Amino acid sequence: KAGVTQTPRYLIKTRGQQVTLSCSPISGHRSVSWYQQTPGQGLQFLFEYFSETQRNKGNFPGRFSGRQFSNSRSEMNVSTLELGDSALYLCASSDRGDTGELFFGEGSRLTVL
Amino acid sequence: SQKIEQNSEALNIQEGKTATLTCNYTNYSPAYLQWYRQDPGRGPVFLLLIRENEKEKRKERLKVTFDTTLKQSLFHITASQPADSATYLCALDESGGSYIPTFGRGTSLIVHP
Repeated sequence: KAGVTQTPRYLIKTRGQQVTLSCSPISGHRSVSWYQQTPGQGLQFLFEYFSETQRNKGNFPGRFSGRQFSNSRSEMNVSTLELGDSALYLCASSDRGDTGELFFGEGSRLTVL
Repeated sequence: SQKIEQNSEALNIQEGKTATLTCNYTNYSPAYLQWYRQDPGRGPVFLLLIRENEKEKRKERLKVTFDTTLKQSLFHITASQPADSATYLCALDESGGSYIPTFGRGTSLIVHP
């Protein structure tokens, strides 16, 4: 089975721009979660989608949004980028099974200048 | 407030010794606790899960204990190898079906040959 694929792996943006990140989950997984990871805050939960519906949301401003398509692929968007948005954005898929195991992608490293 | 604490200082040990990492939590009632390994620039990889009614879980050279009275989990790697060098994250899930674990910031383990 192919793993979780995130694109792009690296990107550089300037303040005020917007960015869209993509995540393809493991085949058969309908749950996709997004996390932001920074050295100061660790892994912070952004939101989770299951069967195209946002099921859970973390404590992030409305500039952070996401969606999930019928094939379970997900995108997240950050508008009006700020310097503090520089981070590793990780996507994780899950079959919401017994272990609650999350399968993470390699992440998208965003740098905001 | 809710807190998950992992030692922010790196743990340095010699090859062959047992590494012990600690995860303490406050104001959580976790249904289960997970441990993940993260290598630099990569996404976390699931290692083990232990449930609230389990005291200990083993997998090959890994052992996890869970003490809900002390509100603590210990993660042991026996016969450690330089390849075990990584950051180890604990994650708690109070469940209720959310499948959204909250992560600690991780502890870096460095195994010296």
